[in-house]
Amino acid sequence: DSGVTQTPKHLITATGQRVTLRCSPRSGDLSVYWYQQSLDQGLQFLIQYYNGEERAKGNILERFSAQQFPDLHSELNLSSLELGDSALYFCASSVGAGGVDNEQFFGPGTRLTVL
Amino acid sequence: DQQVKQNSPSLSVQEGRISILNCDYTNSMFDYFLWYKKYPAEGPTFLISISSIKDKNEDGRFTVFLNKSAKHLSLHIVPSQPGDSAVYFCAASRNYGQNFVFGPGTRLSVLP
Repeated sequence: DSGVTQTPKHLITATGQRVTLRCSPRSGDLSVYWYQQSLDQGLQFLIQYYNGEERAKGNILERFSAQQFPDLHSELNLSSLELGDSALYFCASSVGAGGVDNEQFFGPGTRLTVL
Repeated sequence: DQQVKQNSPSLSVQEGRISILNCDYTNSMFDYFLWYKKYPAEGPTFLISISSIKDKNEDGRFTVFLNKSAKHLSLHIVPSQPGDSAVYFCAASRNYGQNFVFGPGTRLSVLP
């Protein structure tokens, strides 16, 4: 158990809908990262928040947005969903904003299925 | 355009023997590399890292080798154990640990 929790575990929805994925980081971690893993693909970095502020941005679509709240939990909002958005979405957390030895701890993921 | 490649989708090794997992990258600006292990229904867990100032890093049964000129790194597991059976991801970053780019993973099966 990494100490990172993600809810829900599974989500099934229809095209065009909007969903929110939630992540609670390990106690004491200030950074939260979101990743997408599609079938047979590596993890694609989406976005990082550090202490409530956006820190780094990866291949995140404009239909997707995220935020980190004062209690440091984070939400990833996916809107106008398409079939291709079906994937595993992982959240990770770390103590610092980056750098060597800033190990990222991953949650178990949320499996999103868009029908 | 895959910046981090793991060309072997799967690898089978006998228990007790050496497992060698390979990773190639294209971006010469990458300066920090990690290996993660992932079991089914779990998130990836950090295994070992190496920065570009080193060419080898060892942690118990796990050793990572970095060949900067070839843009290649490898993970050696010696001796391999059945519990090592998992998917292994190679990841790389610039600026020492931000915006990681992950490879597609290699599924290792260690046979008893």
